[in-house]
Amino acid sequence: EVQLVESGGDLVKPGGSLRLACAGSGFTFTNAWMSWVRQVPGKGLEWVGRIKSKTDGGTTDYAAPVKGRFTISRDDSKNTLFLQMSSLNTEDTAVYYCTTGLAVAISVNWGQGTLVTVSS
Amino acid sequence: QTVVTQEPSFSVSPGGTVTLTCALSSGSVSTAYYPSWYQQTPGQAPRTLIYNTNTRSSGVPDRFSGSILGNKAALTITGTQADDESDYYCVLYLGSGSWVFGGGTKLTVL
Repeated sequence: EVQLVESGGDLVKPGGSLRLACAGSGFTFTNAWMSWVRQVPGKGLEWVGRIKSKTDGGTTDYAAPVKGRFTISRDDSKNTLFLQMSSLNTEDTAVYYCTTGLAVAISVNWGQGTLVTVSS
Repeated sequence: QTVVTQEPSFSVSPGGTVTLTCALSSGSVSTAYYPSWYQQTPGQAPRTLIYNTNTRSSGVPDRFSGSILGNKAALTITGTQADDESDYYCVLYLGSGSWVFGGGTKLTVL
């Protein structure tokens, strides 16, 4: 069974930084294309970004609102996905979900999410 | 900026069939946009129903199906049950590595 467990969500001040982690199990992490999707409480889903598997180049893509501020990386030796967030603002307040995907789908399996609150 | 549009709300009777759609603010949706569909109930993480237009995710009953209808992606639910009452989201690939979600449809079963 695929399991994705996010961690690292916290309360952070505007302008601050935070790193989220997502531990995966039950699938071949090395081969997985992974994404982050966020959701402001009570609002809709927003794609944040994706990282390809290393065998497919390991490259990343990002949504416009986070490009240049957020960085997705992976440690395949630890089956862990990361989201490094910097220059955070109140609009980044959301539940952040880690997902596994494919080339043709950003999200097939979902974690339970971790809440990031940006507030002074 | 391209916007992905879904019906804000929809109602269906138990046992009925409903088709939710996913459209582009400009242009037609085709299989090249790799539409996916997700179901979310309050307080829960989303669940993937359909990806790559019409591929059902593992464990999803065949009451749920995806297609292209005219110039939109579509999610059809047949034999609707009370626990299908949820929010439904689509996502489309807009090229250059960019994916955009629709605003979601709140489905009421009554």
